[in-house]
Amino acid sequence: DAGVTQSPTHLIKTRGQQVTLRCSPKSGHDTVSWYQQALGQGPQFIFQYYEEEERQRGNFPDRFSGHQFPNYSSELNVNALLLGDSALYLCASSLVGTQYFGPGTRLLVL
Amino acid sequence: GQQVMQIPQYQHVQEGEDFTTYCNSSTTLSNIQWYKQRPGGHPVFLIQLVKSGEVKKQKRLTFQYREEKKNSSLHITATQTTDVGTYFCAGQGAAGNKLTFGGGTRVLVKP
Repeated sequence: DAGVTQSPTHLIKTRGQQVTLRCSPKSGHDTVSWYQQALGQGPQFIFQYYEEEERQRGNFPDRFSGHQFPNYSSELNVNALLLGDSALYLCASSLVGTQYFGPGTRLLVL
Repeated sequence: GQQVMQIPQYQHVQEGEDFTTYCNSSTTLSNIQWYKQRPGGHPVFLIQLVKSGEVKKQKRLTFQYREEKKNSSLHITATQTTDVGTYFCAGQGAAGNKLTFGGGTRVLVKP
């Protein structure tokens, strides 16, 4: 049984570009949450998807958007990248409470 | 909004010694989850505490959820080099909702 998977593992972009990150949840999980973790800090909640809809959102600008597909996989899109968007982006899947994290995508914006 | 704080931010421990890290929430929580993140890795789920006053043990790790459901602690006995990493607590205001993470306690073990 595969755990949470994310792609790509690493990504380098330049300011102003757009990026799409992907996440496949753990088998049987229907909820996907996205977090941003800056270096040396705890993960910060971006948003959560359930039944293909955004159920909750953290304090992130509209440049951050997402999608959940019928198979529960999810995408995170970030437009007009800023240097400050450089971080580890984590996807977590869950069924009710406990969230299990994927390995993350390390994004570097130059 | 809900805030979660952890102390200490750094913990330098001699191998074999015990230490405790503390987690405090600004609001009452539905549950607290603890995660461990190794350098260069991602948060790995350790345990979830739900009941007021709950104490759970995992080998050398003891987790406690205080009576008021706002505070928690993690106590590690006989620290080993494998305990190196950052320990995060994360609170949920309601089950299934977003996790609010503390800043983490970075543990370094001196052999």
